Amino acid sequence: AQKITQTQPGMFVQEKEAVTLDCTYDTSDQSYGLFWYKQPSSGEMIFLIYQGSYDEQNATEGRYSLNFQKARKSANLVISASQLGDSAMYFCAMRERSLVSGSARQLTFGSGTQLTVLP
Amino acid sequence: NAGVTQTPKFQVLKTGQSMTLQCAQDMNHNSMYWYRQDPGMGLRLIYYSASEGTTDKGEVPNGYNVSRLNKREFSLRLESAAPSQTSVYFCASSESDRGNEQFFGPGTRLTVL
Repeated sequence: AQKITQTQPGMFVQEKEAVTLDCTYDTSDQSYGLFWYKQPSSGEMIFLIYQGSYDEQNATEGRYSLNFQKARKSANLVISASQLGDSAMYFCAMRERSLVSGSARQLTFGSGTQLTVLP
Repeated sequence: NAGVTQTPKFQVLKTGQSMTLQCAQDMNHNSMYWYRQDPGMGLRLIYYSASEGTTDKGEVPNGYNVSRLNKREFSLRLESAAPSQTSVYFCASSESDRGNEQFFGPGTRLTVL
């Protein structure tokens, strides 16, 4: 089973509007972390936002917020007031206990959502 | 601070050749990681080093070896390259394996013919 599911391969949004990128996850750990990364066409991976499983409030970083619904196991990224520079691939990732070592925690990534902001 | 640096940026190999991808970080981080990214997919963990002197397999370790040379450097070796290893390789680091953020290098684009 997929640990991280991003069901939207591509999304379009009009400049200055808000957009929500979906992410659902699967884990049996009680303690885990959820991340969103941005990958522009230049290829680098840019950290956007983090949510811990015990955090009661949704994380926010500037125009980015994470809509964390623990019971539904979803961690959607909301981008407000979209800008042309937001056009990129967006990856959701989860940090949980390693199944191999049983201790150290590694990141598992979803397949990504390609966001295009229209002028 | 340069952050995480990787060399080379691009490489073309023939099947069966060997090479080492280099990664260094100047943030005094304890944990370092190697990922690969295939077209249209997210990153998959190859190997990681939770702290200096330790390495562990990730999701896709076959065909690779790693060395945590010191706290700063973490190298990835392909002993006998195969076309299936054509990919973009990213190195990352974090304060610890429980860190809230992994910092990524710019990536190495490897093609195996």
